[in-house]
Amino acid sequence: DGGITQSPKYLFRKEGQNVTLSCEQNLNHDAMYWYRQDPGQGLRLIYYSQIVNDFQKGDIAEGYSVSREKKESFPLTVTSAQKNPTAFYLCASAGREVNVGELFFGEGSRLTVL
Amino acid sequence: GENVEQHPSTLSVQEGDSAVIKCTYSDSASNYFPWYKQELGKRPQLIIDIRSNVGEKKDQRIAVTLNKTAKHFSLHITETQPEDSAVYFCAASARFQKLVFGTGTRLLVSP
Repeated sequence: DGGITQSPKYLFRKEGQNVTLSCEQNLNHDAMYWYRQDPGQGLRLIYYSQIVNDFQKGDIAEGYSVSREKKESFPLTVTSAQKNPTAFYLCASAGREVNVGELFFGEGSRLTVL
Repeated sequence: GENVEQHPSTLSVQEGDSAVIKCTYSDSASNYFPWYKQELGKRPQLIIDIRSNVGEKKDQRIAVTLNKTAKHFSLHITETQPEDSAVYFCAASARFQKLVFGTGTRLLVSP
């Protein structure tokens, strides 16, 4: 069953702790993306990667880091430098170019910082 | 870079009515315009998309129109049903550029 899997679904952390969100896809997609979703602000791009071992900052990359060591995996680390990390995080994947087809989303990870 | 504005932020209609959501974009190089539907607690899913070489596309009860001169595109849902209730996002991108999303429209269809 092909798809994109995010874990964990819910995560609670204390302030000052780094947190890593997992994203795995078996769709053989080259491109992977991390979005942050806040009420009334739509989907904002954090980081994206179009190929293994390469990634670019999106619009709100400060306080986040990523890696792309395997085609299937694109983990996101929310560092203590992120001033307001409580949010819903969505991972997505697409073919080599996003505008040649559909962006497939994971089910999301809701991070709450206490 | 691209900027996408979406209106209205909320839309309430009666079952059977039509619903229209409008988006404007800033980058004249944008050539791909998808619409995503996100039901409560679920992932966004593509419902329809349009490319700049056409002005309108239909899929059953949903349609999208594009006006490249005015740089705006719209989602039209006819004969709305309660299961159409969701948040709808428009987006735009130019070739080789990242997708930029609008802020979303919460559609509520009342029986």
